[in-house]
Amino acid sequence: DTGVSQNPRHKITKRGQNVTFRCDPISEHNRLYWYRQTLGQGPEFLTYFQNEAQLEKSRLLSDRFSAERPKGSFSTLEIQRTEQGDSAMYLCASSLTPSVDNEQFFGPGTRLTVL
Amino acid sequence: QKEVEQNSGPLSVPEGAIASLNCTYSDRGSQSFFWYRQYSGKSPELIMSIYSNGDKEDGRFTAQLNKASQYVSLLIRDSQPSDSATYLCAVDPQTGANNLFFGTGTRLTVIP
Repeated sequence: DTGVSQNPRHKITKRGQNVTFRCDPISEHNRLYWYRQTLGQGPEFLTYFQNEAQLEKSRLLSDRFSAERPKGSFSTLEIQRTEQGDSAMYLCASSLTPSVDNEQFFGPGTRLTVL
Repeated sequence: QKEVEQNSGPLSVPEGAIASLNCTYSDRGSQSFFWYRQYSGKSPELIMSIYSNGDKEDGRFTAQLNKASQYVSLLIRDSQPSDSATYLCAVDPQTGANNLFFGTGTRLTVIP
């Protein structure tokens, strides 16, 4: 049983460049979440998918951010025209619903540094 | 505003002692509660979940929930140096997204 995987694990980019991250959830999980975590803070919700449908986006998700999950399997998160404030750990989590508990399992994260 | 507050720490305990981590939440409608462990530079790892008032035990870990007081805690018995990490409390407010709201975490150090 493989867990959630994310690629790349680290990304260093220059301000103004576009970056794309990938998340592969646990295979039978139909919900996929993106969170962002900065130093000293807990993860903050960005957006989530139920199968291929993006059902909710946080106000944190500016117009420069876009996420897709085209076939209800893997997901991508793209950040256009990166800013230094985008530097953070981007975490993907998946869960199986409906379920009693909504336990979410996180991938290893992608650490983004914007220079 | 759905807030999750954790005791700020850092918390240091000697090896073999009981570590007690506390969390309060503001949304009275919340139904599911989780404790994650996060080692430095790594992602959160789910260690406990609890949904009903009372205690839930799993090995050296015990989660306690009191919905009337909007309080959830995690006890770690026989603390080991490998337990040294940041512990994140997370709350599912049972809204449509079921996204989790996290506290800022409590950093625990177990001293050998």
